[in-house]
Amino acid sequence: DAGVIQSPRHEVTEMGQEVTLRCKPISGHNSLFWYRQTMMRGLELLIYFNNNVPIDDSGMPEDRFSAKMPNASFSTLKIQPSEPRDSAVYFCASRVSGTAKNIQYFGAGTRLSVL
Amino acid sequence: GNSVTQMEGPVTLSEEAFLTINCTYTATGYPSLFWYVQYPGEGLQLLLKATKADDKGSNKGFEATYRKETTSFHLEKGSVQVSDSAVYFCALSEASGTYKYIFGTGTRLKVLA
Repeated sequence: DAGVIQSPRHEVTEMGQEVTLRCKPISGHNSLFWYRQTMMRGLELLIYFNNNVPIDDSGMPEDRFSAKMPNASFSTLKIQPSEPRDSAVYFCASRVSGTAKNIQYFGAGTRLSVL
Repeated sequence: GNSVTQMEGPVTLSEEAFLTINCTYTATGYPSLFWYVQYPGEGLQLLLKATKADDKGSNKGFEATYRKETTSFHLEKGSVQVSDSAVYFCALSEASGTYKYIFGTGTRLKVLA
């Protein structure tokens, strides 16, 4: 099993540019989560999908952030326009919903630097 | 609301020392409890879990016991190695059917040879 795959691993961009982060969940998993990790705020849940449908996006910071899951094997998190305060590590995680185990499996993350 | 409180780090130990990282939680009902580990430059990996009171999770020499009376889930290891240097996160998940993890702030462990 390849695990959760995120790309790119590192992204450096300039303020105002559009940034797209990508995630491929584990095959067979039907829930997907996007997190942001910073020193100041720790791990924050941004959005959660179940069966490709966004269930809770209350953690999305503002309208500059958007996320999509067009199918069970792919999701994107887009920031447009990007700002320096968006610099963070963004993680994607997936799980099989409806089980008592409720174990989330994380990708390696995308380190975003907005200059 | 639900919350998780971890001891602040960093924790610095010599190799073969005993490790304890404290974790307490506040939750309604009967949450599941987890410890995740994050090695430098990597994502979080599940280390161990416990789903009900008095359960003991264990993996790679690490242990944690779900203590409902003290609302705690302390992580312990009898003899740490340099390779255990990482950030450790305690987390809870509400009873099955919900989705959110509540993470602690993480505790950085550094083990010196």
